[in-house]
Amino acid sequence: SQQGEEDPQALSIQEGENATMNCSYKTSINNLQWYRQNSGRGLVHLILIRSNEREKHSGRLRVTLDTSKKSSSLLITASRAADTASYFCATVGGTSYGKLTFGQGTILTVHP
Amino acid sequence: EAGVAQSPRYKIIEKRQSVAFWCNPISGHATLYWYQQILGQGPKLLIQFQNNGVVDDSQLPKDRFSAERLKGVDSTLKIQPAKLEDSAVYLCASSRQALPLETQYFGPGTRLLVL
Repeated sequence: SQQGEEDPQALSIQEGENATMNCSYKTSINNLQWYRQNSGRGLVHLILIRSNEREKHSGRLRVTLDTSKKSSSLLITASRAADTASYFCATVGGTSYGKLTFGQGTILTVHP
Repeated sequence: EAGVAQSPRYKIIEKRQSVAFWCNPISGHATLYWYQQILGQGPKLLIQFQNNGVVDDSQLPKDRFSAERLKGVDSTLKIQPAKLEDSAVYLCASSRQALPLETQYFGPGTRLLVL
């Protein structure tokens, strides 16, 4: 079964705007990861945040994690048309062997 | 560094037929994963190998799906017989080890359509 739920399901913005996607999950985790999937391509790992971290940055990406609320958010700043893709959060459980449990994903469209 | 390779990229079959997918992981990666991604959903893990042993196959429909990783390198995933609901993208991924903080690298996937 899917661990996480993401919202919104779809997001449409203009180039230069910021995009925020949210993810909620149900059980305890070791870490949470965000992936991007372009149309027709495989998944690409973006960023990983451990359960004892609250915020992490990578380039234009900012991820937050609130384990008390079992939620995470991904912020993409100054979006570009090339950021158009589906974004998935995935959790890794505390007792798993690296198994990823994915959410349903958010479809982001950035208009030039 | 070469990425995860998968073949074929596309496959169309009729229901009740058999199909097999192949995956070659990144060199030196001990852990290999097969995921199923139905349209509009996130990927779901089917099976995870550590070298040539199975770590997790709890979500693999074992009455029709089978997978092997002989010699701990390449892997094949088979469906026999296929059902309409098996239409999906089958993604292979690999990581250095089966540890929570290891990054998984995904192949381009095999898109299966069952008619």
